[in-house]
Amino acid sequence: KQEVTQIPAALSVPEGENLVLNCSFTDSAIYNLQWFRQDPGKGLTSLLLIQSSQREQTSGRLNASLDKSSGRSTLYIAASQPGDSATYLCAVTPQGGSEKLVFGKGTKLTVNP
Amino acid sequence: NAGVTQTPKFRILKIGQSMTLQCTQDMNHNYMYWYRQDPGMGLKLIYYSVGAGITDKGEVPNGYNVSRSTTEDFPLRLELAAPSQTSVYFCASSYSISPQGDTEAFFGQGTRLTVV
Repeated sequence: KQEVTQIPAALSVPEGENLVLNCSFTDSAIYNLQWFRQDPGKGLTSLLLIQSSQREQTSGRLNASLDKSSGRSTLYIAASQPGDSATYLCAVTPQGGSEKLVFGKGTKLTVNP
Repeated sequence: NAGVTQTPKFRILKIGQSMTLQCTQDMNHNYMYWYRQDPGMGLKLIYYSVGAGITDKGEVPNGYNVSRSTTEDFPLRLELAAPSQTSVYFCASSYSISPQGDTEAFFGQGTRLTVV
């Protein structure tokens, strides 16, 4: 059974700092990995999707990497801003018939002005 | 283009009552999903559908039912609501997973349900 773990559960940083959020998964047989952002009381917004054949994806100040063989992904946020404060969720789409997203529990990020 | 729309946004139910959470998408996605999110527990899959007329159980289906009569709509029914069903419910949709893995899932804004 695929399991996704996100470390740390919570992170507080000063504005302007570069930071890394970690995601690990137990089974490397995946189609893709998605990073989502969730604001309090809101839905999930897709940030980046990395296909299994890709190593990284970039969008603005965000860069996500994927090392499928080791079961790890990182989300790098450059020059963090208070508006980046949210919960970040990592999810994988497993291969082998169970093609539904499996989520980690998220990392709650607070960027202090 | 509205994406995935869920109604209602909030609801309080009494124990034993029933209700239907509505979900509709306008992206012509064949896959649709219902998840629940409990504090500190991540999202758990309740039911999913790969197309109209086809539904299947996810990880936590007990106490719920679904139907998929059209491509656009995927309602979630709660029969005999229990306090354990207090949660935030999210509907999502996507195209079929491609071997290239370039399929992105889109989520609604959620329904916050409290059972008292």
